Amino acid sequence: KAGVTQTPRYLIKTRGQQVTLSCSPISGHRSVSWYQQTPGQGLQFLFEYFSETQRNKGNFPGRFSGRQFSNSRSEMNVSTLELGDSALYLCASMSRDSNNEQFFGPGTRLTVL
Amino acid sequence: QKEVEQNSGPLSVPEGAIASLNCTYSDRVSQSFFWYRQYSGKSPELIMSIYSNGDKEDGRFTAQLNKASQYVSLLIRDSQPSDSATYLCAAPYGQNFVFGPGTRLSVLP
Repeated sequence: KAGVTQTPRYLIKTRGQQVTLSCSPISGHRSVSWYQQTPGQGLQFLFEYFSETQRNKGNFPGRFSGRQFSNSRSEMNVSTLELGDSALYLCASMSRDSNNEQFFGPGTRLTVL
Repeated sequence: QKEVEQNSGPLSVPEGAIASLNCTYSDRVSQSFFWYRQYSGKSPELIMSIYSNGDKEDGRFTAQLNKASQYVSLLIRDSQPSDSATYLCAAPYGQNFVFGPGTRLSVLP
């Protein structure tokens, strides 16, 4: 079974731009969560989508948004990028039958200049 | 505020020794706990999950859960240099997952 895939793997943007990241979960997994990881703040929860609905949201500004499609693929968008948005963005998929076990994709390394 | 606490380390152990990683959590409602291993520059990899009090063993790894003390630990027996990584403890709170800051483990040859 293929794992979680994320594209692109690396991205360089400038302040004020916007960015869209993509995540394809493990086949059969309907839950997709997004996390931001920085050296200073660790791994922080952004939001979770299940069956195309945002089920939960972390404490991030409205510049961070997401969506999920009917095939469970998810996208995350960050608008008006700031230098502090430079981070590793991780997507994790979960099956309702897997006792809450989450499996991470390789991540997208975003650098904002 | 739901919190998961870990000693950030670094924890250094000699090759062949037992590495002991600890985690405490603030919410008594949490029913399941997870240990992830993250190599530098890579994404977290699930290595252990534990749902009930007591020990759970998987190869060289043993997870221990004590819900009364709100404490979960990970023991790595016969530590190898390839075990050098950051170990993250995580617990679900409602629909969220909260991760600890991670403990950096260094296994010295």
